[in-house]
Amino acid sequence: KAGVTQTPRYLIKTRGQQVTLSCSPISGHRSVSWYQQTPGQGLQFLFEYFSETQRNKGNFPGRFSGRQFSNSRSEMNVSTLELGDSALYLCASSKPTATNEKLFFGSGTQLSVL
Amino acid sequence: SQQGEEDPQALSIQEGENATMNCSYKTSINNLQWYRQNSGRGLVHLILIRSNEREKHSGRLRVTLDTSKKSSSLLITASRAADTASYFCATDALNQAGTALIFGKGTTLSVSS
Repeated sequence: KAGVTQTPRYLIKTRGQQVTLSCSPISGHRSVSWYQQTPGQGLQFLFEYFSETQRNKGNFPGRFSGRQFSNSRSEMNVSTLELGDSALYLCASSKPTATNEKLFFGSGTQLSVL
Repeated sequence: SQQGEEDPQALSIQEGENATMNCSYKTSINNLQWYRQNSGRGLVHLILIRSNEREKHSGRLRVTLDTSKKSSSLLITASRAADTASYFCATDALNQAGTALIFGKGTTLSVSS
């Protein structure tokens, strides 16, 4: 069974640009969550999607958005990039209908904003 | 603010020794989980303990949970060099739907041979 796949693995952007990150969950998993990891703030929850609907949202500005498609694949978008958006962005999926269960993480997308 | 806080921030031990990491959290939870992360990679789930459980074992891992003190500990017995990684505790929020976990800043474990 294939794991959670995130693309691209590395990304370099400049301030003011926008970026789209992609995540394909494990087959059959309908919940997809996104996390930002930085050395200073650690792992912070961005948002969670379940059956194409945003179910939970973390404390991030509106520049951070996401969506989920009918095949459960998810994308997150960051507009007007700032230097502080440089981070490892991790996607995780979990089983259908399960709440508060374990997450399966992808390898992440390392975003560098110059 | 982050709910889980691990202690110590860093731990260095020799192969064969035991490693103990502690986690504290702030609010009521449904369950607490521990994850491992190898440098720059995704997290791997290790163990989940529910709020009505006090101790759980999985191979060389032993997790305890004290809801009255809002704390948990992870014990890795007979450590190996391959256990070198960062370890994070993660909590949910009581009665919250979905899987929005709050992670601590982690303990970096270094096991030397």
